[in-house]
Amino acid sequence: DSGVTQTPKHLITATGQRVTLRCSPRSGDLSVYWYQQSLDQGLQFLIHYYNGEERAKGNILERFSAQQFPDLHSELNLSSLELGDSALYFCASSPTGSSYGYTFGSGTRLTVV
Amino acid sequence: AQSVTQPDIHITVSEGASLELRCNYSYGATPYLFWYVQSPGQGLQLLLKYFSGDTLVQGIKGFEAEFKRSQSSFNLRKPSVHWSDAAEYFCAVGPAGGTSYGKLTFGQGTILTVHP
Repeated sequence: DSGVTQTPKHLITATGQRVTLRCSPRSGDLSVYWYQQSLDQGLQFLIHYYNGEERAKGNILERFSAQQFPDLHSELNLSSLELGDSALYFCASSPTGSSYGYTFGSGTRLTVV
Repeated sequence: AQSVTQPDIHITVSEGASLELRCNYSYGATPYLFWYVQSPGQGLQLLLKYFSGDTLVQGIKGFEAEFKRSQSSFNLRKPSVHWSDAAEYFCAVGPAGGTSYGKLTFGQGTILTVHP
């Protein structure tokens, strides 16, 4: 157990729907990073939050949004889902806002049918 | 734009044989360099990282990697592979500074199969 908790582990939903992926960082970590792992795009950085504030954005679609709450857990919201959004979504946490000391969670596998 | 290339999609070795996984990067300045391993159903685990200093870095599980600036490479090696090393390996780079500090760019991964 890495200490980073992602729920749910698996999610199957239909096109056009909206889902929320949840991430609880390791105790004491203030940063949360979201990555998407898909067969065609590989592992791609989506977004970084530090202590509730957005720090950096990567290749995140406009249909996707994220936030980090006061208790430091983070949610990634995916809407108007398309088949191509099927992927493994990873969350990672680190102690500070400027660190490569990532700890990854085990991911949420999203299947859009 | 920065990029990471892992030329080998799939490598098969026999248990006890040596291993080298290749990684080349394209970056404006020398980035920080990382190797991660992903076992089926698991998240990514950091094997080792290079920030500066000695270009040969040691990691966990008996892995090492060598940074070669002239070749923009950061190849991962292990002298004797164990069956439990079968997994997917990712090379990654990240900026040494700037607003994107902390953001990793990953290669496409190399799947390692180990034969008994």
